[in-house]
Amino acid sequence: DIQMTQSPASLSASLGETVTIECLASEDIYSNLAWYQQKPGKSPQLLIYDASSLQDGVPSRFSGSESGTQYSLEINSLQSEDAATYFCQQHHDYPWTFGGGTKLELK
Amino acid sequence: EVQLVESGGGLVQPGRSLKLSCAASGFTFSNYYMAWVRQAPKKGLEWVATISTSGSRTYYPDSVKGRFTISRDNAKSSLYLQMNSLKSEDTATYYCAIEVNWFAYWGQGTLVTVSS
Repeated sequence: DIQMTQSPASLSASLGETVTIECLASEDIYSNLAWYQQKPGKSPQLLIYDASSLQDGVPSRFSGSESGTQYSLEINSLQSEDAATYFCQQHHDYPWTFGGGTKLELK
Repeated sequence: EVQLVESGGGLVQPGRSLKLSCAASGFTFSNYYMAWVRQAPKKGLEWVATISTSGSRTYYPDSVKGRFTISRDNAKSSLYLQMNSLKSEDTATYYCAIEVNWFAYWGQGTLVTVSS
């Protein structure tokens, strides 16, 4: 199985700041990575797929990138509504696997 | 508007069975792979099962293989998850999702609690 190691587990940032969340795949997943946002008490929502493709309706302040087996989610100009937990997921091969999640708090 | 509405969760004793349902609307159900993903309380996400458009192919992780069965009824736009031999570690919120390799849309989830 492909292991997804996500970091950090939590972070705190201020409105307007830029934050980066990372996921390291245990093997090459050929850009087959998705990012999700989950707000408290809600179901996850797709933000990005194929490492950098933005899902329809997702604000452009969210972006994804990759470097080898390291994948990053960047959130620019943090807004209050961005407080949530973020998960990565590899969609290269079954079994689909997720990172452990990053809880983003706004100061 | 895509809607996925799960039902069938509840409290069940270890070793017993439970069947979850997901009613889909707002899209052509028969054109999409569908999946179940679960989330234990205060924990991360775990993929549980996937079914092809016709239902002829199914996929499971080792953690549920042989105990869980995913199925679908395209005429009713419905997805199901039959869970047998339930264990305490199966306690989670179960989400139905449209799978396009990634999970494009999610339902609101249904909570399954396995406890004596």
